[in-house]
Order: sequence, then structure tokens, then C-alpha cells
Amino acid sequence: ETGVTQSPTHLIKTRGQQVTLRCSSQSGHNTVSWYQQALGQGPQFIFQYYREEENGRGNFPPRFSGLQFPNYSSELNVNALELDDSALYLCASSLPPSSYNEQFFGPGTRLTVL
Amino acid sequence: KNEVEQSPQNLTAQEGEFITINCSYSVGISALHWLQQHPGGGIVSLFMLSSGKKKHGRLIATINIQEKHSSLHITASHPRDSAVYICAVMGGAQKLVFGQGTRLTINP
Repeated sequence: ETGVTQSPTHLIKTRGQQVTLRCSSQSGHNTVSWYQQALGQGPQFIFQYYREEENGRGNFPPRFSGLQFPNYSSELNVNALELDDSALYLCASSLPPSSYNEQFFGPGTRLTVL
Repeated sequence: KNEVEQSPQNLTAQEGEFITINCSYSVGISALHWLQQHPGGGIVSLFMLSSGKKKHGRLIATINIQEKHSSLHITASHPRDSAVYICAVMGGAQKLVFGQGTRLTINP
């Protein structure tokens, strides 16, 4: 059983650019959630994908968008990057959305926007 | 006021000490998670609980639903326990709401 993986591990971009982050879910999991963690803060929920559809969204602008593929891997896209987008981006996979399904986290992608 | 508050924000202790980290929340929840985050970012789930108490090795988690409060205890602490411990609650919309984390440092 493989765990949750994310790529790339580190990324440096400049303001205005676009970025795509990737997440492969744990075997058997069809739900992926994305979180943004600013330095010294707890993670903030961006959105969740279940069976290729968005299934809930946090307080993030539309320039944060996502996709989930038939194999349940997922992408997070951020357009028009701003300095405040610098953060650790975490994805977590789980079984179908439920209060009692544990989420398994990937190692994160650290994004720096200059 | 944040929906999930942890205390203390930072905690330094000597090896062997008994550690308690507290979490209070202000929303109705269906489950509460305790997570561990090491430098570099990776998050590991320690406990998920909705009532009572759970124990795993030297770690104990308790929750009081009426008081909207949970505690994470570490017995016989060790330098390898040094990490950030995060409380997160599952409320409506199937999303986790996180506390700001408690940075724990255990000195040998």
C-alpha cells in the first residue's frame, strides 16, 4: 500500500505566474483535500474533491482551482500568484467523505513566491 | 476568535516530563483529530476521537464533548517527541478546521 505523495517538494515562482501542484492519493482512497499552511500557522482548508467533483470549498479566491482524475490523483492550480501565496501546500486522501474517515497527509509542497 | 484554540503555543520541557496540550473549540463537531508535524512539513495523524479517551503507547487523547475541550498527553517524554502538535475538528461540510499548533521541544 503506497502512501500519499506530492510533487514537487519545493517550488519557487514570481508574482503573476501560475503554478500546478500534484497529489497522488493513497491506494483505495477516492477523496482528496487540499490545505494551505502559512509559516507558523495551522493549515487552512482550500477544497475537497470526491469522485472527480469539487465537494466543498474554503475561503479561497477563484484563482485557486483544482482537478481530480479518474485514478483519484489531484492537481491544485493557482493563477496570478501573489506573495501571500507562499506557504506549504498539503494534500490529504481519505475514503468517501465522512466525519469518521481519517485523512492521510502527504509530505507537502513548499511554494515560495518572490 | 478562532474556531479552534490550542494552548500553550510553545512548550519546552525536560526529557521524562509529563506533557499536556489543550484544545478548545467553539463549533459543533463530529470528530476531533490530533496530528503531529515534524520540521519539513509532513503531518501524521495520531488520534481521531469523538468521545472518551484513546491511548497509543505513551500518548493519550481525551475529549469532553460537553465542555468542547480535548487534551493530548505524553507520558515519559523524549526528545524525539519534539514536533508541532495540531488539533483539528471535523465540523459541517466535511472539512477539517485546524488549531494554530503547539510547538513542543523536549530537551535531553
